[in-house]
Amino acid sequence: DTAVSQTPKYLVTQMGNDKSIKCEQNLGHDTMYWYKQDSKKFLKIMFSYNNKELIINETVPNRFSPKSPDKAHLNLHINSLELGDSAVYFCASSQDSGGLDTQYFGPGTRLTVL
Amino acid sequence: TQLLEQSPQFLSIQEGENLTVYCNSSSVFSSLQWYRQEPGEGPVLLVTVVTGGEVKKLKRLTFQFGDARKDSSLHITAAQTGDTGLYLCAGAPGGTSYGKLTFGQGTILTVHP
Repeated sequence: DTAVSQTPKYLVTQMGNDKSIKCEQNLGHDTMYWYKQDSKKFLKIMFSYNNKELIINETVPNRFSPKSPDKAHLNLHINSLELGDSAVYFCASSQDSGGLDTQYFGPGTRLTVL
Repeated sequence: TQLLEQSPQFLSIQEGENLTVYCNSSSVFSSLQWYRQEPGEGPVLLVTVVTGGEVKKLKRLTFQFGDARKDSSLHITAAQTGDTGLYLCAGAPGGTSYGKLTFGQGTILTVHP
């Protein structure tokens, strides 16, 4: 059973399109995250939700909009895609929102914007 | 903004050699985590260190948290080809940090047979 799953695994799209990435966790965790990993492997947090409530919102263009329909799901919608959005996007979850909690990462979604 | 400087960025060694990866910051972290990431997968937590001066061992891997909780190191003894991967350190600022980890730039380790 996959603990944190993301779909799709790969996403290739044209500039200007709108796309969504879905994430689901079956660990019963309260907190979920979205990270962006660039081509140099630098991993940076974008958003975090705790019990469906947004608790971390880093400096991310408002073209990116997370949505948490329930505790087990956190989706990421991206409007008007740009070349610079090309990256690997990781979803993660943790039991709680504290810094000591282990974060479990999904396999990533490789987004390529042409 | 808290930053973590990780070094070296690339490390290519022969099987059986020892190596150390460093993670440094001018900021204090309440805890520091080390992750390992394999190609096509997400990072997997190896260890969390919390107390200044703490040393944790995980088989051939030794993790140390600096006394001032501003730096950490990962030492691998007698590296094996299976240790190949991307190693990431990540610090938590503490307080109401809401799990907001700051990641280092990563170290790509290649162990040759």
